[in-house]
Amino acid sequence: DTAVSQTPKYLVTQMGNDKSIKCEQNLGHDTMYWYKQDSKKFLKIMFSYNNKELIINETVPNRFSPKSPDKAHLNLHINSLELGDSAVYFCASSQGQAPQPQHFGDGTRLSIL
Amino acid sequence: KQEVTQIPAALSVPEGENLVLNCSFTDSAIYNLQWFRQDPGKGLTSLLLIQSSQREQTSGRLNASLDKSSGRSTLYIAASQPGDSATYLCAVRNPDKLIFGTGTRLQVFP
Repeated sequence: DTAVSQTPKYLVTQMGNDKSIKCEQNLGHDTMYWYKQDSKKFLKIMFSYNNKELIINETVPNRFSPKSPDKAHLNLHINSLELGDSAVYFCASSQGQAPQPQHFGDGTRLSIL
Repeated sequence: KQEVTQIPAALSVPEGENLVLNCSFTDSAIYNLQWFRQDPGKGLTSLLLIQSSQREQTSGRLNASLDKSSGRSTLYIAASQPGDSATYLCAVRNPDKLIFGTGTRLQVFP
């Protein structure tokens, strides 16, 4: 009965590969997010979707492409992975935008060799 | 541009102590402020959410205050326990996204 679930939990791959991270929420929320946590533990938003529409797109390389097939899913596809992409990626969801609280997944630790 | 800073970056205290974690933000036009806990290898757990119109929120041994005009929030933990050891993050919402602080790594030793 996990509220926000991400798969995989760990992802180890080589530079140049393309990979996807999946996120699903069963809370009935209409807004989903992707955050990146770097090696210094700093969390920064990457994307936000509301009702499958992109509403936030921070300064992220266009190698990163979010896809929201429906309100309950927001997947993150990354092309041509680089060493600097190594991080923990968190998915989150909320019902509406501010001021509703966000619920987070457990994160996906991406390591680039 | 909103910037969120947390002090101290790390804190180590003996069990039983009361402690205060600080969070400051540069733009007072926020919708709300959330305090999170992050355990190693885990996601974020929301602890307390304070709306912009509120001054404080309490949950068990935790109390969070908000002073929008001065751009500050504090998280007070009473009677700390080893199980409180984690990284604590504050985040402000304005308006569509959460902007996170740098975090305070707390260790409570027996």
